[in-house]
Amino acid sequence: DTGVSQDPRHKITKRGQNVTFRCDPISEHNRLYWYRQTLGQGPEFLTYFQNEAQLEKSRLLSDRFSAERPKGSFSTLEIQRTEQGDSAMYLCASSPDGAVYGYTFGSGTRLTVV
Amino acid sequence: GDSVTQMEGPVTLSEEAFLTINCTYTATGYPSLFWYVQYPGEGLQLLLKATKADDKGSNKGFEATYRKETTSFHLEKGSVQVSDSAVYFCALIKNSGNTPLVFGKGTRLSVIA
Repeated sequence: DTGVSQDPRHKITKRGQNVTFRCDPISEHNRLYWYRQTLGQGPEFLTYFQNEAQLEKSRLLSDRFSAERPKGSFSTLEIQRTEQGDSAMYLCASSPDGAVYGYTFGSGTRLTVV
Repeated sequence: GDSVTQMEGPVTLSEEAFLTINCTYTATGYPSLFWYVQYPGEGLQLLLKATKADDKGSNKGFEATYRKETTSFHLEKGSVQVSDSAVYFCALIKNSGNTPLVFGKGTRLSVIA
């Protein structure tokens, strides 16, 4: 078990470009979460999946954002027409069913929009 | 909605000093409570947790007790080390497990030798 993997670790993009991030959760975990963290703030929930079903989306997730988990394994988060305000750390986490376990987080993808 | 409030940082301590980071929460029902730690350039690591009132979570010398009467989950360590320098996040989740983990804003701890 290698934990939760995120790729890339860093991404620099020009405003208006599209970017896609990947997350590989712990294989036995059927829940997968995306969070966004800006400087000096705690992680903010974006969306989560149970298996391949996307069960909840935050209002932070504008229509420029889309997430998928096509086979209930890895997930992708795409941001279209990036804006400078999208610059942040994007964190992925996974967990088994049930609240008491907490989540296992990946190292994150740091996005810088220039 | 549910929320977590942490003491503002940064907190700067000398090595071997006693640490307290305050955390209070607002939630309906009785959530599970967590402390996560984030070292520079890394993701969040689960430090400790408590799932019901009066439970004490502990790990690596850190402790926190779930206090229902004061809706608190303060993090403590008797003797901090330079390697404890990090950002600490308090978080909660409903015990139904069907709503996501909610985080506080984090408290930065710097320990100087």
